[in-house]
Amino acid sequence: DAGVTQSPTHLIKTRGQQVTLRCSPKSGHDTVSWYQQALGQGPQFIFQYYEEEERQRGNFPDRFSGHQFPNYSSELNVNALLLGDSALYLCASSLVQDAYGYTFGSGTRLTVV
Amino acid sequence: RKEVEQDPGPFNVPEGATVAFNCTYSNSASQSFFWYRQDCRKEPKLLMSVYSSGNEDGRFTAQLNRASQYISLLIRESKLSDSATYLCVGGGGSARQLTFGSGTQLTVLP
Repeated sequence: DAGVTQSPTHLIKTRGQQVTLRCSPKSGHDTVSWYQQALGQGPQFIFQYYEEEERQRGNFPDRFSGHQFPNYSSELNVNALLLGDSALYLCASSLVQDAYGYTFGSGTRLTVV
Repeated sequence: RKEVEQDPGPFNVPEGATVAFNCTYSNSASQSFFWYRQDCRKEPKLLMSVYSSGNEDGRFTAQLNRASQYISLLIRESKLSDSATYLCVGGGGSARQLTFGSGTQLTVLP
């Protein structure tokens, strides 16, 4: 049973560029949440998607956007990259009726230069 | 002020020692609490949920005090494999999102 799969694992981008990160949820899960983890910090909630809609959003600017597809997979898009966007981006999937049954992917490490 | 605050450590303890981590939270919207473990360059993994009545899982004991907004984790008979970062986490909001503390780094020494 595959867990949460994220791609790519590592990425280097230049300031001002745009990036798309991808996540395939654990089999059977219908909800995808995205978190940003800066070095030395805990993960911070970006947003959550359920039924292809953004269900809740954390304190992140509109440069951060997402999408969920009918197969429950999800993308995180970040526009106009800043150096401060360098972080580990974690995807967590869950089942909407299992409130805290999150499974995290191993993340995408984004470096902005 | 951060919603979940914990001592960043690092905690360096000898094998077999007992170590305690503390955490405070300020967001009353957090309804549920957890301890997660994160190994270096890996994803966070749920260690245990935290209840007001206290709960124990082998060598690990967690406690929640809602009146003081305080959460604790006790690790007994620590092992080398316990070396990791321990994240105090609150859960709440309409999406049941997680609010993480910055983590406490533990190194168990031989």
